[in-house]
Amino acid sequence: GNSVTQMEGPVTLSEEAFLTINCTYTATGYPSLFWYVQYPGEGLQLLLKATKADDKGSNKGFEATYRKETTSFHLEKGSVQVSDSAVYFCALMPGTSYDKVIFGPGTSLSVIP
Amino acid sequence: DAGVIQSPRHEVTEMGQEVTLRCKPISGHDYLFWYRQTMMRGLELLIYFNNNVPIDDSGMPEDRFSAKMPNASFSTLKIQPSEPRDSAVYFCASSLTRDLYYIQYFGAGTRLSVL
Repeated sequence: GNSVTQMEGPVTLSEEAFLTINCTYTATGYPSLFWYVQYPGEGLQLLLKATKADDKGSNKGFEATYRKETTSFHLEKGSVQVSDSAVYFCALMPGTSYDKVIFGPGTSLSVIP
Repeated sequence: DAGVIQSPRHEVTEMGQEVTLRCKPISGHDYLFWYRQTMMRGLELLIYFNNNVPIDDSGMPEDRFSAKMPNASFSTLKIQPSEPRDSAVYFCASSLTRDLYYIQYFGAGTRLSVL
């Protein structure tokens, strides 16, 4: 079946540190991959996406590359800010089911000054 | 656009009472999703609609939960009777078929506390 696995949190970093949040997936067909972010007290919102192998999604300084050979979609940012404190969800849309997105468990990030 | 609007933002009720959560999707969107988020179970898809028709309700935990979408601009999730284990944040999300990647737009959620 289709599933998403993320590194467990919480993750605590100092401001300007490098961020990596690992995400691996299992899927049939050719899924599209997403990172969603949930800021405190808000709903999820799309951060970035990639739709085929070797695509790199990027937004707000965050990047993730669709690696089919390792079935991974790790999220990275070179220098985090306090305002990046949030919960990050890796997600996939199966290539055979275009209406249901499968979300990972989420990774909580806290950035301290 | 105002985005997905959920009401109420917070609901506190007593066990056994009926609870109704409301959602207004983004105008023109043809998919609507209801999720539940808890610390223990994360984000769970409860049910989703396409063009106001329920497509998959396999995530609805039990018969106490029901959802309706009487028109394209309104949906409700009802819990009757409510139990303390229903305490969670409930999110509504909508998406558009013409958006090839079915990006979901979430509301701010309703935090439900059942005492």
